[in-house]
Amino acid sequence: QQQVKQSPQSLIVQKGGISIINCAYENTAFDYFPWYQQFPGKGPALLIAIRPDVSEKKEGRFTISFNKSAKQFSLHIMDSQPGDSATYFCAASLGGGTSYGKLTFGQGTILTVHP
Amino acid sequence: NAGVTQTPKFRVLKTGQSMTLLCAQDMNHEYMYWYRQDPGMGLRLIHYSVGEGTTAKGEVPDGYNVSRLKKQNFLLGLESAAPSQTSVYFCASSWALGPYEQYFGPGTRLTVT
Repeated sequence: QQQVKQSPQSLIVQKGGISIINCAYENTAFDYFPWYQQFPGKGPALLIAIRPDVSEKKEGRFTISFNKSAKQFSLHIMDSQPGDSATYFCAASLGGGTSYGKLTFGQGTILTVHP
Repeated sequence: NAGVTQTPKFRVLKTGQSMTLLCAQDMNHEYMYWYRQDPGMGLRLIHYSVGEGTTAKGEVPDGYNVSRLKKQNFLLGLESAAPSQTSVYFCASSWALGPYEQYFGPGTRLTVT
C-alpha cells in the first residue's frame, strides 16, 4: 500500500491560532516525509521534511510531529498568519525497491487564515 | 536562475486533439517528473525521467507519452486528448531520487472539451 491519507480537506483558522494537518500512511518502508506548500496559481514548494529517525522537526513557526508506531505525521503551524493561507500537501517516499524515491502525495488541505 | 518553467500556461483542446507540454529546468538536475493535480486527489505522478534519454512510467501513465532528448527538457505529450485529462499539469525536477527537494514549475491548466 502506497497511499497517504491527509485530513482535513479544508481548515479555517483565526490569525494567531494553531493550524494542524494530519497524514497517515500504511507502508512502513516509507522513509522520507516532506510537506509542500502551494499558493494559488503556483507550483508546490518544499516547506519542511522529516526522516523517521526523529519524532519532531521545527523550522520557525512550522513543526512536523512524527509517530512511527502509529504511522502518522502532522504539520503544526504556530501563530498562523493570513500569508499562510495556501494548500498544503503531505508526501512520502520509499527508501528502496522499484518505487524508490518517488513521492506519493496526500490529497491536500486548503488552509484559510482569517485576519 | 529561472528554475523550472512550463509552456504553455493554459490550453483548451477538443477531444481527440493532440498537444505537447514543454518543461525546462536550468538547475542541471538529472531527475524530472510530470504530475497531474486534480481536486481532492493531490498530485499523481504520470511519468518521470532519471536522465537524458531515459523515461519511466509513474502512477497514472495511460494516455500520455514523454521524451527527454536533452537533459534540461522534459516533454509530455497527449496523442488523443480526452475530457478525463482535464487537469493542472506540473513538471518538477530534483538532483536525485530519494530524500531530496523536488522543484516544481508553475503549472499548465489544460481543459479538454
